[in-house]
Amino acid sequence: SQELEQSPQSLIVQEGKNLTINCTSSKTLYGLYWYKQKYGEGLIFLMMLQKGGEEKSHEKITAKLDEKKQQSSLHITASQPSHAGIYLCGADFSGSARQLTFGSGTQLTVLP
Amino acid sequence: DVKVTQSSRYLVKRTGEKVFLECVQDMDHENMFWYRQDPGLGLRLIYFSYDVKMKEKGDIPEGYSVSREKKERFSLILESASTNQTSMYLCASKRSGGGVYEQYFGPGTRLTVT
Repeated sequence: SQELEQSPQSLIVQEGKNLTINCTSSKTLYGLYWYKQKYGEGLIFLMMLQKGGEEKSHEKITAKLDEKKQQSSLHITASQPSHAGIYLCGADFSGSARQLTFGSGTQLTVLP
Repeated sequence: DVKVTQSSRYLVKRTGEKVFLECVQDMDHENMFWYRQDPGLGLRLIYFSYDVKMKEKGDIPEGYSVSREKKERFSLILESASTNQTSMYLCASKRSGGGVYEQYFGPGTRLTVT
């Protein structure tokens, strides 16, 4: 979606390196959802952010939403091969969270 | 755990065939969604339903229809399959209510139309 831009499109990192994936919106977000997808499978929910400046962490993954609620980042510390997959951000633009608009995804490869 | 299941993981159909993709969720969720996923385009919403017999068009409904006769089941129908409908199809469900809840996804159906 042009309303939601994800970058980079793909990322190859050496195991143990840190990395960041960005999700930028052209409009104010009511909520921002991060998902991970293993190749050829469904999406697994990671985290959801709602408030400006909010930050959440789960294991080695941290997601942040900026104060203006138009940009989110997903940061992985000390990457592992198990982190490999496609990361997608999904935006709630309506406030109802009934319908999400997804970014095009970031393909992450972690080299052992 | 919420479980969303899809009737097939892989499906091969011929142009012009009528295709049914089934999705079932076991958590009594009110909302259900059908997406298609294509390289470089991410997930695009085809249709969603917020209640039995209710449906709303998403971003790309052309060439598709849906049916929701029971709360747990949401079907996507391709009336006359075309090669440009070759894609990965993902179903999702989500509860309603006062809070904000995430969508739970099925494993996907990879449809090839020849």
